[in-house]
Amino acid sequence: DAKTTQPTSMDCAEGRAANLPCNHSTISGNEYVYWYRQIHSQGPQYIIHGLKNNETNEMASLIITEDRKSSTLILPHATLRDTAVYYCIVRPRNNAGNMLTFGGGTRLMVKP
Amino acid sequence: GAGVSQSPRYKVAKRGQDVALRCDPISGHVSLFWYQQALGQGPEFLTYFQNEAQLDKSGLPSDRFFAERPEGSVSTLKIQRTQQEDSAVYLCASSSGQGAHSNSPLHFGNGTRLTVT
Repeated sequence: DAKTTQPTSMDCAEGRAANLPCNHSTISGNEYVYWYRQIHSQGPQYIIHGLKNNETNEMASLIITEDRKSSTLILPHATLRDTAVYYCIVRPRNNAGNMLTFGGGTRLMVKP
Repeated sequence: GAGVSQSPRYKVAKRGQDVALRCDPISGHVSLFWYQQALGQGPEFLTYFQNEAQLDKSGLPSDRFFAERPEGSVSTLKIQRTQQEDSAVYLCASSSGQGAHSNSPLHFGNGTRLTVT
């Protein structure tokens, strides 16, 4: 299974863009990159996922490098409610199910 | 629409007691997952169902842990003879996808916080 490496914590000023990096240098060709976040006392919340191309939705943008060895999640205008732990996950390919393997994530603190 | 619902939200058990945690997945979701999350850690996989079939239980930490989904909808995670190390948040997730090539996202409930005293 491809593993991911993320900074333990990051700060961001409210209203500014939050750029959360993730390294996944051993990712395989058919493995997706997923991002989830977990706000205190809640379950993880799906944000976005991608394979090769950059993706954007109402929550965030996902930029994947051409060699697919790293990606960046971008929250364009961070708010205080975006304070959470952000998990970058590469979905395993050899499973009967499509389970996700979580690492330690990045604790994002959005400050006023 | 309704998301994944888990009950109870909090459970306190005395060491040695049995507990049952319930998960109501999103209607029509084929796949259902249980995760365990210790304080300050990321969620760890316990078991996976596709409809009523338990296809992967490799993450269950001991034979005291048992999960079922008899009609392919509601699922129950049972822990027998609870121990202090079982204290954690137990998360349930469901997905409309199935099989190794599905990229459908998982939708999580808010979990049950189990405290064993």
